[in-house]
Order: sequence, then structure tokens, then C-alpha cells
Amino acid sequence: DGGITQSPKYLFRKEGQNVTLSCEQNLNHDAMYWYRQDPGQGLRLIYYSQIVNDFQKGDIAEGYSVSREKKESFPLTVTSAQKNPTAFYLCASSRGSTLSYEQYFGPGTRLTVT
Amino acid sequence: AQSVTQLGSHVSVSEGALVLLRCNYSSSVPPYLFWYVQYPNQGLQLLLKYTTGATLVKGINGFEAEFKKSETSFHLTKPSAHMSDAAEYFCAVSSLAGGYQKVTFGIGTKLQVIP
Repeated sequence: DGGITQSPKYLFRKEGQNVTLSCEQNLNHDAMYWYRQDPGQGLRLIYYSQIVNDFQKGDIAEGYSVSREKKESFPLTVTSAQKNPTAFYLCASSRGSTLSYEQYFGPGTRLTVT
Repeated sequence: AQSVTQLGSHVSVSEGALVLLRCNYSSSVPPYLFWYVQYPNQGLQLLLKYTTGATLVKGINGFEAEFKKSETSFHLTKPSAHMSDAAEYFCAVSSLAGGYQKVTFGIGTKLQVIP
């Protein structure tokens, strides 16, 4: 079955530590996205990538970093510079940048930083 | 900039009653509109989308939405609510930003179905 996997589902970290969230897709999609979800705020775009070795900042990129070395993989690192990292993180992919393309979402990773 | 407004962050309906979730959009060009559903602690799943053509769009699980340009609306409906419909629903609009597809999501509407 094609889809997007995110791991782990739950992640706990101490303040000041960097943490990397995994996102893998086997849909052969070109575009991949990272969103942050907080209660009552919808989804906010962190980073996106249209092709391998290229990625762009979204609306709330500060304190985050990404890489896109393989088409299938788009890991997100939450750095210690992110002031309020506790949130639900969603990875998504789409076939490309055509406006009618829907996005496919992974199951999410819930990050708790104390 | 494109935006969507979802009226009502929480909606409660009785099982078997009509479901109506409201979404209004702001767009300077013909919009591409989506409805997604999210069950607790899961990712989002596409319910339906409007691109061009027929303004009444049918989706999965008995949901449908009607694109009304004059009202800039894309409300989601279902004739008869089931307990399994309890979830959070997001309206979204797709636009071009810096050469990539940017999807702007509403804040979501949580649907409660009362037995």
C-alpha cells in the first residue's frame, strides 16, 4: 500500500535538545510539506520541498530545519531555537505544484518538550 | 492572499440529522477548494475537492459540498449524521505562492454527533 509514514508517533524531549522527526513516502510524489498543528489554529506550513535537494521556508520556519536528499524522505529537525516546540507535526506530499492536486498526509508525530 | 473562514469551531448534531459545516473563502482568482477530515491523533484525509466544472461536488462517506461563487462559499453537507462522522473538518484553498502550491487551511470545525 502506498502512503506516508511518520515516526515516532509520540516523542518526548527535554528543553534544549534538538530532535528529528521522520517522514517517508512511497507515493513517488515530487512535493513534500511539513505542517505544525496547534489547537484552534489549523495547520501552519513550516517547510516545503518541490524536488530533491531543494526546499523553501514556509510561514513559521524559525527554529526548524529540513533536508531532502532523497525523493522519498523529508526529515524535520526541531532545534533548541524553537521557542514553543510542543505540538502535533504533520508531513504531507502531493504529486506536484499543480493547484488541483490534493495533499496526502501521514499519521503525525506528537512532540512534547518539557 | 487566499484565505478560508470556517464559521463555528464546534458543531453538534443529533445522529440522523443534517450536517452543515460552513466555509467561506477569499480569493482573487478562481479557487481550488478542499475539505479534509481528521480523526483524533491522525493525519488528514481528503473528503472532496472543487477544481473546475460541476459546482456540486460529491465526496467520500456521503459528504458533498457546493461551490457558490456569488457567496464565496463552499459549505460541506451530509443528509444524515452517523456516529462515525465525529471528527474535525478542515476547509482549505490552494494557491500559487513563489512557484509552489500553497494550501491555506481554516482553523477547523469539530463535529460532535449526539446519539
